[in-house]
Amino acid sequence: DTEVTQTPKHLVMGMTNKKSLKCEQHMGHRAMYWYKQKAKKPPELMFVYSYEKLSINESVPSRFSPECPNSSLLNLHLHALQPEDSALYLCASSSGTLTYNEQFFGPGTRLTVL
Amino acid sequence: QQQVKQSPQSLIVQKGGISIINCAYENTAFDYFPWYQQFPGKGPALLIAIRPDVSEKKEGRFTISFNKSAKQFSLHIMDSQPGDSATYFCAARGGTDAGKSTFGDGTTLTVKP
Repeated sequence: DTEVTQTPKHLVMGMTNKKSLKCEQHMGHRAMYWYKQKAKKPPELMFVYSYEKLSINESVPSRFSPECPNSSLLNLHLHALQPEDSALYLCASSSGTLTYNEQFFGPGTRLTVL
Repeated sequence: QQQVKQSPQSLIVQKGGISIINCAYENTAFDYFPWYQQFPGKGPALLIAIRPDVSEKKEGRFTISFNKSAKQFSLHIMDSQPGDSATYFCAARGGTDAGKSTFGDGTTLTVKP
């Protein structure tokens, strides 16, 4: 299985809602990533987990809360989001966090904040 | 400070033509340069990647040319097909944050039949 899966595919939420994005991989990878991608822009790194520990937090607002329950799963908990947080949220995984460890991306969750 | 500059922003090519996308980087610590292809509604997918110890890498119709002294690299798509129409991102990795990719702004390629 060489796939990264993400659920849901689409999510619409109000500014007072709490929701979660889920990501799963069964490639035995030990590094997982959350990216945010706005239309016609490159992905922006948000968080990196290495061996289930948060290793990089790119100064992301606290309304985004990542969680890595085990080596195959990655969640992103959302609370009190703003309309400007509407974007495609991409999960990726890699065998490690070395330079040459290639990242495999999931299809993303299209988030709309009303 | 943008560390990877990509051009052009958009590109229209006739079927069978050659598509060329260029990237330039600033950080000499970068030592891995992947190219990603992204279709609408999908995540980016690795297309081809190069390390700075070689000047060219070819995989099928896709070739990366790398000029270390100029700190530039480019993607050439030979015999471009309508199915190649997508957004292409160059990226660079290396240095202290080895697993962190610095992306170019992307090029939207349209191949006309």
